[in-house]
Amino acid sequence: EAGVTQFPSHSVIEKGQTVTLRCDPISGHDNLYWYRRVMGKEIKFLLHFVKESKQDESGMPNNRFLAERTGGTYSTLKVQPAELEDSGVYFCASSQAGTSFVDEQFFGPGTRLTVL
Amino acid sequence: AQKITQTQPGMFVQEKEAVTLDCTYDTSDPSYGLFWYKQPSSGEMIFLIYQGSYDQQNATEGRYSLNFQKARKSANLVISASQLGDSAMYFCAMREPNSGNTPLVFGKGTRLSVIA
Repeated sequence: EAGVTQFPSHSVIEKGQTVTLRCDPISGHDNLYWYRRVMGKEIKFLLHFVKESKQDESGMPNNRFLAERTGGTYSTLKVQPAELEDSGVYFCASSQAGTSFVDEQFFGPGTRLTVL
Repeated sequence: AQKITQTQPGMFVQEKEAVTLDCTYDTSDPSYGLFWYKQPSSGEMIFLIYQGSYDQQNATEGRYSLNFQKARKSANLVISASQLGDSAMYFCAMREPNSGNTPLVFGKGTRLSVIA
């Protein structure tokens, strides 16, 4: 079974440009999460989808970030316009329906975003 | 306030020796879950071990064990018989309440280097 995949693996853009990150969760996983790690800091939660609905977007830094999950399958995270402080590694994770305490989140390999 | 504290930015251990990675947490919720993830140089986040706040016994998974001291709010990861392949970043994480849908809160991580 394929794991969580993310595209691209790396992206280098200039300040003011737009970038779209994509995440394909494990098939059948209703929960999809986006996290971000800025260099040297904690991995921080951005938002959580349950199927196609945003369950919690309290971690989204500002309105330059837009996340979508079309049809409850893959998700995109668009940054427009990108700023220097957006640089970091963006992780996507997915999990099943959340009926068990031990439901683990399966993480993708991350997208390393560099804004110059 | 920081929810998860990992005080060791870096650790070295001799191959075949045991090593303890520290993690303390802060919560007032009686229901929480504690996780450890490993991030090798390839970038993916690998789930290692889980401990629920109501679990009576410390969790173990192969060479990994979690030294859970509830009163001290600590959840240290113990790796026995270290191998070269254990060299990686290790992240402690918590979710509160301990529901399968709750996003994770991470610490800053500890970089472990195993020396031959």
